[in-house]
Amino acid sequence: QLQLQESGPGLVKPSETLSLTCTVTGDSITSSYYWGWIRQPPGKGLEWIGCIYYGGSTYYNPSLKSRLTMSVDSSNNQFSLKLSSVTAADTAVYYCASGRAPIDYWGQGTLVTVSS
Amino acid sequence: QSPLTQPASVSGSPGQSITISCTGTSSDVGLYNYVSWYQQHPGKAPKLIIYDVTNRPSGVSDRFSGSKSGNTASLTISGLQAEDEAVYYCSSYTSSSTVIFGGGTKLTVL
Repeated sequence: QLQLQESGPGLVKPSETLSLTCTVTGDSITSSYYWGWIRQPPGKGLEWIGCIYYGGSTYYNPSLKSRLTMSVDSSNNQFSLKLSSVTAADTAVYYCASGRAPIDYWGQGTLVTVSS
Repeated sequence: QSPLTQPASVSGSPGQSITISCTGTSSDVGLYNYVSWYQQHPGKAPKLIIYDVTNRPSGVSDRFSGSKSGNTASLTISGLQAEDEAVYYCSSYTSSSTVIFGGGTKLTVL
């Protein structure tokens, strides 16, 4: 059974870069999966952030594209998200996940708060 | 990209059936059969319950079913149970190779 676990700082200052890592267990990250990120602001709905194919192709939400970088670290079976120039509007629970359409496995989510 | 349109809330009594609609455009829901539905209980991660419009993952109750007509997809839950009370999200693959979600529908079991 595929399992995913997010890790990273729970508090980020405005204008800085939000960095999260997702550790994959139960399968190799080089299997034919898309690896992605979804976020959910407190009390609001889901927003697809983007995904990366293990070979390196990336697909980003157009509204976040200019601030986003995703990468895969196959040696550690991890993938990561970097979102630059964050504001309070980026405060959310961030989920890592496998798949694109559909998103079939989800991590438990991690709350990232943007505040000084 | 604008979110897919879902009703904010629906309700039903135990044993009844309800349907949640999800309206997109000819660039997403209407173009591909890659519509998925997710169930989210409070404080939990979403769970995939329908994929590719009509398919259920292993372990998901057959009380959940999906369909699509034109730019609108639908999720039907039959034989409502208290445990079905949750927020339901639809999503679709798009012509830009991205994914878009609906705004979510809160289901209340009366």
